[in-house]
Amino acid sequence: EPEVTQTPSHQVTQMGQEVILRCVPISNHLYFYWYRQILGQKVEFLVSFYNNEISEKSEIFDDQFSVERPDGSNFTLKIRSTKLEDSAMYFCASSVDRGIPEAFFGQGTRLTVV
Amino acid sequence: RKEVEQDPGPFNVPEGATVAFNCTYSNSASQSFFWYRQDCRKEPKLLMSVYSSGNEDGRFTAQLNRASQYISLLIRDSKLSDSATYLCVANQGGKLIFGQGTELSVKP
Repeated sequence: EPEVTQTPSHQVTQMGQEVILRCVPISNHLYFYWYRQILGQKVEFLVSFYNNEISEKSEIFDDQFSVERPDGSNFTLKIRSTKLEDSAMYFCASSVDRGIPEAFFGQGTRLTVV
Repeated sequence: RKEVEQDPGPFNVPEGATVAFNCTYSNSASQSFFWYRQDCRKEPKLLMSVYSSGNEDGRFTAQLNRASQYISLLIRDSKLSDSATYLCVANQGGKLIFGQGTELSVKP
C-alpha cells in the first residue's frame, strides 16, 4: 500500500539552528501539506502546496518557514532560526486532488529544539 | 469559538460496548468531514469520510447534520484495538481543521 514517508523520525536541534524536514508524498498525489502537533494539543494546519507553489498557509507559517519541492518526489519544510516553541511533531500529508480531499499522513518527524 | 469542537474525554468503556462521539463545527463553508484515529504519538489515520447523510463501515457509523453543524461517530461492539484518540476533521478547500480529539479506552 502506498504511503507517505518522512525523514528523519526524530530531530534534535539547538535553538537558532535551521532544520529541514523531508517528505516523500504518495506518487500520484497532487496536493501536499504540512501540519504540526505540539505535545498534548490538536493537529494544526501549516501550509498546502500544489503545482509547485503554496496554495494556502496558516498564521503559524510565517517567514521562519518555507517549503519546497526540489525534485519530482521530495517535499521539504525548512524552519529557520528554530525556537523552543517550534518543538512539535511535524506531519506531512498528501491527497489526490482538492476535490478528493482525503489526506494521508506520514509517520511524522518529532522535532525537539533545545 | 473553536472551529471544530469535540466531546471531552476520556471515554472508558468495556469490550463490546457501543460508544458515541459528538462533534460540532462552526464554519458552515466546510465542505466535507472526516473521522481520523490517532494512536499515541503516531500519525492521524483516516477512519472514514462523512460526506452527506452519513455512512457506515462495519462497526463504525458516521452521521452528518448540516443544519445543526453536527457530526457523530458510533462504534458498536468495541474492541480493545479501538483504544485511540478519535479526531473530528472538517475540510475547508483541502485544508483540514482538526478537533482536539476524544480519547477512547476500551477495557477487557
